[in-house]
Amino acid sequence: SQQGEEDPQALSIQEGENATMNCSYKTSINNLQWYRQNSGRGLVHLILIRSNEREKHSGRLRVTLDTSKKSSSLLITASRAADTASYFCATAPQGAQKLVFGQGTRLTINP
Amino acid sequence: DAGVIQSPRHEVTEMGQEVTLRCKPISGHDYLFWYRQTMMRGLELLIYFNNNVPIDDSGMPEDRFSAKMPNASFSTLKIQPSEPRDSAVYFCASSPSAGELFFGEGSRLTVL
Repeated sequence: SQQGEEDPQALSIQEGENATMNCSYKTSINNLQWYRQNSGRGLVHLILIRSNEREKHSGRLRVTLDTSKKSSSLLITASRAADTASYFCATAPQGAQKLVFGQGTRLTINP
Repeated sequence: DAGVIQSPRHEVTEMGQEVTLRCKPISGHDYLFWYRQTMMRGLELLIYFNNNVPIDDSGMPEDRFSAKMPNASFSTLKIQPSEPRDSAVYFCASSPSAGELFFGEGSRLTVL
């Protein structure tokens, strides 16, 4: 079953603009992670935010977590053509060691 | 390290045939996960192991699917007999602590 739901399902923006993707989940979590998947490739881990953290940065990435609303957002600043990919949020439910993935957001950066 | 290695990368087989997918996790990682990805259902967790022991196989679709991890450096996912609805990309991932997952490039299975 899907724990995380990403919004929007697809996003197309111009190079240089910022891209924001949102994720909602249903149950209490230990942490929330974001992954990127290029077409035909495996998923690559981007960033992990723990349940007691509210914001985290990594390069051009900024992730926020609101546990009261059970939601997270991923912001990619100054987008580049190479950022074109699908982005997935994944949650680690409390008491479980597994990751449950959402359906993903397909991001297209137009040059 | 070469990362998580999966084989074969592509498999085309006929309905009823046995399919075996293989995975070599990153050395030193204690957790190994098998996921299936389709357009309709997204990424589904099939089973995961901790220290070679299956912990949660609740995602395995049915008895036609089985997974083993005979040692820390090798795991297999077997489908017998295969059906067209099993067509998907199967990913293996490993993790040192069940935090960040390291994925292989996947095995694309087509069952005719």
